[in-house]
Amino acid sequence: AQSVTQLDSQVPVFEEAPVELRCNYSSSVSVYLFWYVQYPNQGLQLLLKYLSGSTLVKGINGFEAEFNKSQTSFHLRKPSVHISDTAEYFCAVLTVGGGYQKVTFGTGTKLQVIP
Amino acid sequence: GAGVSQSPSNKVTEKGKDVELRCDPISGHTALYWYRQSLGQGLEFLIYFQGNSAPDKSGLPSDRFSAERTGGSVSTLTIQRTQQEDSAVYLCASSSNRGDEQFFGPGTRLTVL
Repeated sequence: AQSVTQLDSQVPVFEEAPVELRCNYSSSVSVYLFWYVQYPNQGLQLLLKYLSGSTLVKGINGFEAEFNKSQTSFHLRKPSVHISDTAEYFCAVLTVGGGYQKVTFGTGTKLQVIP
Repeated sequence: GAGVSQSPSNKVTEKGKDVELRCDPISGHTALYWYRQSLGQGLEFLIYFQGNSAPDKSGLPSDRFSAERTGGSVSTLTIQRTQQEDSAVYLCASSSNRGDEQFFGPGTRLTVL
């Protein structure tokens, strides 16, 4: 079984301040990790992903995330947020095996950037 | 097409009626997922198709929900005898067989009166 935990359902932050959105996962096998973003009234789109290699992953719009295997975390960070970053962010874990793939999403974190 | 498409974009129906939601995945993608996103909720997994294998139906909330995928491409999600709690945005996503990112459609907003 696998699970994803996003402890913060809402995160308010002032414009130009740094932000970290937390994601922890559990899995008995190797995982691939993703962050998706959903802007208001829009569909979900990929922000960044970790498949292998460097544990620090850079995505679109200045976001980055670091895969920490020992802490089973994949926290999302941005050093300086913009109003346009206001959106809901979803962490997801994917496992592959036996010809199947299983994806589990977290419950999402709403980032509200305050002017 | 260039991306995942879903139809209709909006559906309003009366309680007790059946509805069908359609998803056209990206050409060549072997994996197809259906999710439900209710107001203020996260993504609820419903069903997953992988090629010609038996689908993973473990997320379907009741036997009123069913889905099929014809020819390994287009998928239809059917909700029978709709209830008000079925009101939500139904999202479809597809991905390649490589265990990579999912590409989401714009969703179908279902409202059951």
